[in-house]
Amino acid sequence: EAQVTQNPRYLITVTGKKLTVTCSQNMNHEYMSWYRQDPGLGLRQIYYSMNVEVTDKGDVPEGYKVSRKEKRNFPLILESPSPNQTSLYFCASGRMAGYTFGSGTRLTVV
Amino acid sequence: GQQVMQIPQYQHVQEGEDFTTYCNSSTTLSNIQWYKQRPGGHPVFLIQLVKSGEVKKQKRLTFQFGEAKKNSSLHITATQTTDVGTYFCAALYNQGGKLIFGQGTELSVKP
Repeated sequence: EAQVTQNPRYLITVTGKKLTVTCSQNMNHEYMSWYRQDPGLGLRQIYYSMNVEVTDKGDVPEGYKVSRKEKRNFPLILESPSPNQTSLYFCASGRMAGYTFGSGTRLTVV
Repeated sequence: GQQVMQIPQYQHVQEGEDFTTYCNSSTTLSNIQWYKQRPGGHPVFLIQLVKSGEVKKQKRLTFQFGEAKKNSSLHITATQTTDVGTYFCAALYNQGGKLIFGQGTELSVKP
């Protein structure tokens, strides 16, 4: 089944403790991206990658890192999480015509 | 930066009524995509529009792309409770790299 898999689905962590949210796709897509969703603000792009070893900033990249060492994986790294990074995070992959989203990771930073 | 404005933010309708959400951009778009997110779910791709003036239909849903390729709309005829959710438009920039979403329109349908 074609899908984008994110882990974990839920995560509560403390300020400053490094964490990684994983994202994997099995559709051989070149494009992958991370979004955060906050009430009233919609979906905002954090980072995107158009191919292996190619990443670029979206609209809200501060406080996040990504890597694209292989085509299927695109982890999101929070080196020092802060409470304002509490949000619902989505990974997406696709080509020009339509993107497939993962089920989301609800992150709470206390 | 690039922005896509979407209105209204909320729409409450009685089942059977029609619903429309609108997206506008200050710049010409190469294409526009529409997604639906059910409550508690993730965005699901509905359709992509590419050509100026393009109109596409999916059952009760009609999607339009403006002649100037700066605006788009989604119209649902005779809403049903299964239509509940948030509808997003999204514009593609940088040859596929940047997909910028509108703020979304949350649709609620009263039976």
